[in-house]
Amino acid sequence: ETGVTQSPTHLIKTRGQQVTLRCSSQSGHNTVSWYQQALGQGPQFIFQYYREEENGRGNFPPRFSGLQFPNYSSELNVNALELDDSALYLCASSPGVVPDTQYFGPGTRLTVL
Amino acid sequence: SQQGEEDPQALSIQEGENATMNCSYKTSINNLQWYRQNSGRGLVHLILIRSNEREKHSGRLRVTLDTSKKSSSLLITASRAADTASYFCATDGAQGAQKLVFGQGTRLTINP
Repeated sequence: ETGVTQSPTHLIKTRGQQVTLRCSSQSGHNTVSWYQQALGQGPQFIFQYYREEENGRGNFPPRFSGLQFPNYSSELNVNALELDDSALYLCASSPGVVPDTQYFGPGTRLTVL
Repeated sequence: SQQGEEDPQALSIQEGENATMNCSYKTSINNLQWYRQNSGRGLVHLILIRSNEREKHSGRLRVTLDTSKKSSSLLITASRAADTASYFCATDGAQGAQKLVFGQGTRLTINP
């Protein structure tokens, strides 16, 4: 148990729709990072938030956006869903911005039809 | 893009044997980490080795790092059925990049 939770566990959407995924970090962890993991691949970095500000972004289009709240919760929003967005979405929290040990949630499995 | 490349992509051994997985990366790093993932769920941190370290142990795990070859290995000794999982190496960027860059992973199967 990492103390990081994500909801929902599974989600099915259709192409063009919008989705919001949620994450609750460990208390005291000011940094949350989001990753996309396609089937059979390693996780790919989407973006990171530190104290409610975006603090780094991977090679993902602007339709992927996020929010971090003062209560250690965060959201990943994806607009105009595409079939290729089907993946496991993982959030990870850590105390600071240096990429040392990250504590991952169980993930949200998104299927886009 | 993925920096780390794990080798082999899949490994199947008998319970009690040792399992060795390798990881190669491309750029300078501050540290390298290994994570385990069971059945497509969340990743669990196993061990972190810093760029100035050559070897690190944690229980049945032994990790080595060769920065001159930009490679690392993870050895699991006396494997158990519960070790069946995917194993990923992850590197940071020496320039202080915020992200971890993961390889594609090694799928390890321990046969009883």
